[in-house]
Amino acid sequence: GESVGLHLPTLSVQEGDNSIINCAYSNSASDYFIWYKQESGKGPQFIIDIRSNMDKRQGQRVTVLLNKTVKHLSLQIAATQPGDSAVYFCAENGENTDKLIFGTGTRLQVFP
Amino acid sequence: EAQVTQNPRYLITVTGKKLTVTCSQNMNHEYMSWYRQDPGLGLRQIYYSMNVEVTDKGDVPEGYKVSRKEKRNFPLILESPSPNQTSLYFCASSLYRVRPYEQYFGPGTRLTVT
Repeated sequence: GESVGLHLPTLSVQEGDNSIINCAYSNSASDYFIWYKQESGKGPQFIIDIRSNMDKRQGQRVTVLLNKTVKHLSLQIAATQPGDSAVYFCAENGENTDKLIFGTGTRLQVFP
Repeated sequence: EAQVTQNPRYLITVTGKKLTVTCSQNMNHEYMSWYRQDPGLGLRQIYYSMNVEVTDKGDVPEGYKVSRKEKRNFPLILESPSPNQTSLYFCASSLYRVRPYEQYFGPGTRLTVT
């Protein structure tokens, strides 16, 4: 598959454990925050988003937490599965609401 | 099947030889965008389009052109490619009025400029 990053921070978790992927964002004016998942050889895939007027949002097996005080975003994956192995990107819309600004990504490795 | 398609998937070319990477979506999305992905730099936006005949620069537009003559197509044009444009390129689209940031990405185009 395509290499998306040679020196990405990596989180290694055992199958069945919970995963927490963290992201620090930069722009206080951002009002949308989004998580994308990119599997090897594929394009990014939308996971979940959260607006700045919320602190927490839950999806299927995933939860996003937003702490605006310290400009921190996290993605929690419950009962991590081998299929969750991928690079995860956070993104924010910044001051220009027509654009997305992506972080550099975190690689999640799930081992049996 | 709802999808974003890109062609070609792989391209090796030489400096200065004009090329076009095509992007097409079948979801009637008004918003389309091009990104490049480089190791350690994540995804950076090149150009985006809010609708037909409306295009705007992203963060790294230098050396690229785009056009949006039809809603479904958003080609990326490199008039005179240079080695620093060697990268992995992604096209994306979204139904901006409803879900602006739920972008659907194509499979990527690996471009090498020698």
